[in-house]
Amino acid sequence: EPEVTQTPSHQVTQMGQEVILRCVPISNHLYFYWYRQILGQKVEFLVSFYNNEISEKSEIFDDQFSVERPDGSNFTLKIRSTKLEDSAMYFCASSERQYGYTFGSGTRLTVV
Amino acid sequence: AQSVSQHNHHVILSEAASLELGCNYSYGGTVNLFWYVQYPGQHLQLLLKYFSGDPLVKGIKGFEAEFIKSKFSFNLRKPSVQWSDTAEYFCAVNAKSSASKIIFGSGTRLSIRP
Repeated sequence: EPEVTQTPSHQVTQMGQEVILRCVPISNHLYFYWYRQILGQKVEFLVSFYNNEISEKSEIFDDQFSVERPDGSNFTLKIRSTKLEDSAMYFCASSERQYGYTFGSGTRLTVV
Repeated sequence: AQSVSQHNHHVILSEAASLELGCNYSYGGTVNLFWYVQYPGQHLQLLLKYFSGDPLVKGIKGFEAEFIKSKFSFNLRKPSVQWSDTAEYFCAVNAKSSASKIIFGSGTRLSIRP
C-alpha cells in the first residue's frame, strides 16, 4: 500500500536554529498538508498546498514557517528560528481530492 | 467554523467490554467524517471513514461508527475490546469539497485492563 514517508523520524535542534522537515507524498496525490501535535494535545492543521502554492494556512503558520515542493517529489516544512514551543510531532499528509487522505509516520521535533 | 467535540478524555475498560466513544461536530455544510487511531509511539492510522451512503460504517479491527445527521454525531463502537486496542482515538471532519483540511477532535485515550 502506498505510504507517505517522512524524514527524519526524530530531530533535535537548538533554540534559534532552522530546521527542515521532509516528506515524500504518495506519487499520484495532488494535495499536501502539514499538521502538528504538541505532546498531549490534539492534532492541529498548519497548511495545505496545491498546484505549487499554499491553498490554506492556519493562524499557527506565521512567517516563521514556510513550505516548498522543490523537486516534484519532496514536500518540505521549514521552521526558522525555532522556539521551545515548536517542539511537537509534525505530520505530513497527502490526498487525492477528498479521498485517500494518508498521513506519514511523523517527525518528532525537540527544541532544546 | 468547523469543530469537533470528543467529550470522553480518558476511558478505561476491561477486556471484552463494549466500547462507545462519542463524537459531535459542528459545521454548516455537508462533511466527510473520520476516526483515526494512534497507538503508543506510532503515527495516525485511519480506522474508518464516512463519505456518503449507509450511515453505519465498518472499519478495520472490528470497529464501526454510525453517522446520525440529526444529532451531528459520529460515535465509534466496538462490541468487545481487546488489550491491543489501547490507544488514542481521534474523530475528525472535513468539508465535502475539494480536499479541504481535516479538523481533529481533542482525542479520547482508551486504556484496556487485561
